[in-house]
Amino acid sequence: GAVVSQHPSWVICKSGTSVKIECRSLDFQATTMFWYRQFPKQSLMLMATSNEGSKATYEQGVEKDKFLINHASLTLSTLTVTSAHPEDSSFYICSARYQDTQYFGPGTRLTVL
Amino acid sequence: GEDVEQSLFLSVREGDSSVINCTYTDSSSTYLYWYKQEPGAGLQLLTYIFSNMDMKQDQRLTVLLNKKDKHLSLRIADTQTGDSAIYFCAEKKGYGGSQGNLIFGKGTKLSVKP
Repeated sequence: GAVVSQHPSWVICKSGTSVKIECRSLDFQATTMFWYRQFPKQSLMLMATSNEGSKATYEQGVEKDKFLINHASLTLSTLTVTSAHPEDSSFYICSARYQDTQYFGPGTRLTVL
Repeated sequence: GEDVEQSLFLSVREGDSSVINCTYTDSSSTYLYWYKQEPGAGLQLLTYIFSNMDMKQDQRLTVLLNKKDKHLSLRIADTQTGDSAIYFCAEKKGYGGSQGNLIFGKGTKLSVKP
């Protein structure tokens, strides 16, 4: 139980385009989901907390207009990287909270050319 | 501060025990977690311990918590090559605006030599 999926698992896009990443809780409902960014050989950096039916809470230094988060249902949160640039290339991981524990998706590798 | 610190590397031989250490700073943390990340993959929850516990054992995994020293360790018995991965320690913040969020260490890369 407590499986979280992400789609796509990897994406390559051109600079200036927008990319949407989906995070789904497959066998449970999650009122709270989290989006993280992981740089090579570094820990996870929390970008934002996504709450179903309300606006996401962004961490300091994360541009909310650049990283759009939508949590429209209890099983789906999306992260849209708008006008992506090469510096946005990273590994993006989502997690969903279930019974006081966070379960993580497999991650999405974004490469911006 | 809210740093969670871990040593970055650990190398052991197959069959030996591995001990990965972690220190945290938030004394109000309610849960402490160990996650495993294999190359190119997300994080897999290995185990967790509630802050009022001293020890938790789950098959080859033993978690020890010293709340006084804010020290957490993960022992893997009979380490196998499949255990090679990065192990993240995380604490769940107990209070404040980020209550419930996880604070991660930088991860310990475990290399298991045959």
